[in-house]
Amino acid sequence: GDQVEQSPSALSLHEGTSSALRCNFTTTTRSVQWFRQNSRGSLINLFYLASGTKENGRLKSAFDSKELYSTLHIRDAQLEDSGTYFCAAEAMGYKLTFGTGTSLLVDP
Amino acid sequence: GGIITQTPKFLIGQEGQKLTLKCQQNFNHDTMYWYRQDSGKGLRLIYYSITENDLQKGDLSEGYDASREKKSSFSLTVTSAQKNEMAVFLCASSIPKRQNTLYFGAGTRLSVL
Repeated sequence: GDQVEQSPSALSLHEGTSSALRCNFTTTTRSVQWFRQNSRGSLINLFYLASGTKENGRLKSAFDSKELYSTLHIRDAQLEDSGTYFCAAEAMGYKLTFGTGTSLLVDP
Repeated sequence: GGIITQTPKFLIGQEGQKLTLKCQQNFNHDTMYWYRQDSGKGLRLIYYSITENDLQKGDLSEGYDASREKKSSFSLTVTSAQKNEMAVFLCASSIPKRQNTLYFGAGTRLSVL
């Protein structure tokens, strides 16, 4: 099976609501990164985590290396949060394995 | 800040043609990557280069060659374009010793007629 299982594959939120994305890992993972891809295809790095949690504005991410999962929480969703979110796992140096992405649509 | 520049932005090729994609970064990062993204799917690693003159195969290296001419540039060659192939090729760079955070270029969109 895939090393990184990302869910949900698609998500629709009303503006102002909150939700979470999740990635499960099937092998030992040293770190995880979260990215957002906009409609033009540009990938922006949101978080890098080797453990614990990080928060940036309305986004918060957690990584549990023992239980092999990571989450990305989006609070008070805004229209500009729409896009495709990817997690990527680093098992060994240099190589990242990407999840299949969550397509998020935030509507008014 | 820095930037990763990929050229061309759009590439249209013929079946069997050899095609080259270029990537330049001014972050002064040691490591560079080429990923392929197919519609609705995640990114798959084609080649990466830990430092100048180094080349490492990723999971999808068959059908591709790569060249790290200097620290700032990393080229990818499609050795024989496949008919009806459509994908986006994304270049990235990082400093592994600094958390290995990846920074991506805007991509090259390939269509093969």
